Amino acid sequence: DADVTQTPRNRITKTGKRIMLECSQTKGHDRMYWYRQDPGLGLRLIYYSFDVKDINKGEISDGYSVSRQAQAKFSLSLESAIPNQTALYFCATSDNQGYTEAFFGQGTRLTVV
Amino acid sequence: GQNIDQPTEMTATEGAIVQINCTYQTSGFNGLFWYQQHAGEAPTFLSYNVLDGLEEKGRFSSFLSRSKGYSYLLLKELQMKDSASYLCAVQNTGFQKLVFGTGTRLLVSP
Repeated sequence: DADVTQTPRNRITKTGKRIMLECSQTKGHDRMYWYRQDPGLGLRLIYYSFDVKDINKGEISDGYSVSRQAQAKFSLSLESAIPNQTALYFCATSDNQGYTEAFFGQGTRLTVV
Repeated sequence: GQNIDQPTEMTATEGAIVQINCTYQTSGFNGLFWYQQHAGEAPTFLSYNVLDGLEEKGRFSSFLSRSKGYSYLLLKELQMKDSASYLCAVQNTGFQKLVFGTGTRLLVSP
């Protein structure tokens, strides 16, 4: 089993719909992140959480919200999806040392039509 | 703020050596990571530099100059499977989060 699991792996949704992307990890890490990836723009940070009670906005948080349900679970929601949120979304985790690498999930390809 | 620059695309031949550069400007710096990402897949960790100098790991090496805001990833004895995007990421002080460059797509040809 993967250390960082994202569900769903692929999703097509309509404009205006609410959608939740889920991430769970078995690494025991406190830190979790949500990134989106667009061609030519690289990975951009949406939200990050350093523990269950600590949620922070990243560089592109507008239109998104998150929930840290437990140390192992971090969900990303699009309250009202729009076509320019079509992207590849990655969840990542790292430990509290900060000097170790981030581990990424396999990604969720989201298409908003 | 932070600014990270990498070339968009590079090509090389199987068996050759390629150097992928990354320059960065940041208000605070902890370290620099290199990740490999095959198309449609998750990024995977290659190397981490926090001090100036060269870190060698098999066919891959990474160099850092903090004073110049410069790093490079050196890939030796290129193989077809090295065709991928290579992402430079800066870890800043304070928030300890990673900020990624746009990535360099490397195409290795026979």
